[in-house]
Amino acid sequence: KAGVTQTPRYLIKTRGQQVTLSCSPISGHRSVSWYQQTPGQGLQFLFEYFSETQRNKGNFPGRFSGRQFSNSRSEMNVSTLELGDSALYLCASSLGPLAGGSYEQYFGPGTRLTVT
Amino acid sequence: KNQVEQSPQSLIILEGKNCTLQCNYTVSPFSNLRWYKQDTGRGPVSLTIMTFSENTKSNGRYTATLDADTKQSSLHITASQLSDSASYICVVGVFLSGGSYIPTFGRGTSLIVHP
Repeated sequence: KAGVTQTPRYLIKTRGQQVTLSCSPISGHRSVSWYQQTPGQGLQFLFEYFSETQRNKGNFPGRFSGRQFSNSRSEMNVSTLELGDSALYLCASSLGPLAGGSYEQYFGPGTRLTVT
Repeated sequence: KNQVEQSPQSLIILEGKNCTLQCNYTVSPFSNLRWYKQDTGRGPVSLTIMTFSENTKSNGRYTATLDADTKQSSLHITASQLSDSASYICVVGVFLSGGSYIPTFGRGTSLIVHP
């Protein structure tokens, strides 16, 4: 079956703009999580959506937001972009919630965002 | 100080040799611990998941161990292959007050396997 897909794969934005990233989970998966990966900070958890509800949220400012649709597809939005937002943004899907303990997470290839 | 510490930061081994990567964590209360393999330019791939009640979990040539008392985990790779060259990331799931769950990542160990 198809894996997790993310669009776009690459994006260049200017400081102050906003951006929306999209994630399509594996069919049947109800949990979608978003992560930021940078050389300086490594991987960091942004938030998790399960059945259209935000279940958990990492320590990121309110400029980072997301939502999940009834078909489990998810979008992440970053407003008022800063240079430090340049990163690889990864989404992952799983059958059950992260806190469920043993659900496998499947990551997409990521969206490379560059803010100039 | 990072709450999930991985060592070594990088490791070079010869093909066919075994190696062990370490993950020490201070976060609590602990829910689960995951090991991922990430190839350059790609998303992480899950290797093992262990809850607090499990001591060991295997996935082919990968074996993870967990000591919840000492808050240490290790990932042992047997008979390394060139394709094992990647970054290996340890992730500890923590429950915060209010019931929220946060996965906390280590910085990873970069493994290079030479022929």
